[in-house]
Amino acid sequence: ENVLTQSPDFQSVTPKEKVTITCRASQSVGSSLHWYQQKPDQSPKLLIKYASQSISGVPSRFSGSGSGTDFALTINGLEAEDAATYYCHQSSSFPTTFGQGTRLEIK
Amino acid sequence: EVQLLESGGGLTQPGGALRLSCETSGFRFDRFFMNWVRQAPGKGLEWVATISASGAGTHYADSVRGRFTISRDYSKSTVYLEMSSLRAEDTAVYYCVKRESGDFDFWGRGTLVTVSS
Repeated sequence: ENVLTQSPDFQSVTPKEKVTITCRASQSVGSSLHWYQQKPDQSPKLLIKYASQSISGVPSRFSGSGSGTDFALTINGLEAEDAATYYCHQSSSFPTTFGQGTRLEIK
Repeated sequence: EVQLLESGGGLTQPGGALRLSCETSGFRFDRFFMNWVRQAPGKGLEWVATISASGAGTHYADSVRGRFTISRDYSKSTVYLEMSSLRAEDTAVYYCVKRESGDFDFWGRGTLVTVSS
């Protein structure tokens, strides 16, 4: 099983800050790495697919980078509505797996 | 507009069974893989099962293989998850999820399954 490890587990940030969440895979996933946002009491929402491809309707302040085993989700100019838990997900191999999540708190 | 509507969750005792349903609309149901992903209270996301677009292929997490069965009904555009021999650790919100290519592009609101005596 390909284990995805996110860092940090939790971060408290102020609005307008730049935030970077990383995801490291135990085996290469190529570019088959996706990011989701889950707000409290809501279902997850796709933010970025295939490491860096943007999703229609997602604000442009969200971007992704990386390949192989190391990936990053960057939020440029954090807004209060970005308070959520973020998950990475690999679809390179079965079983498909998720990172443990990174909770962002807005100060 | 893509919609995924889960139902069938509830409270059951250890060893019990439940059938979850996911009614879909807004996309060509026969062209996409469908999945179930669960989330235990206060925990992260765990993939449970996948069924191919044709229905010929199914995959399961080790934690549920032999106890859960995923299926689909093309006439109703509905995906099912039959769960048996339920354990306390199966307690979770179960999400029905559409797979685009590899990414999970649409998620339902989820249905809560509680396994407790």
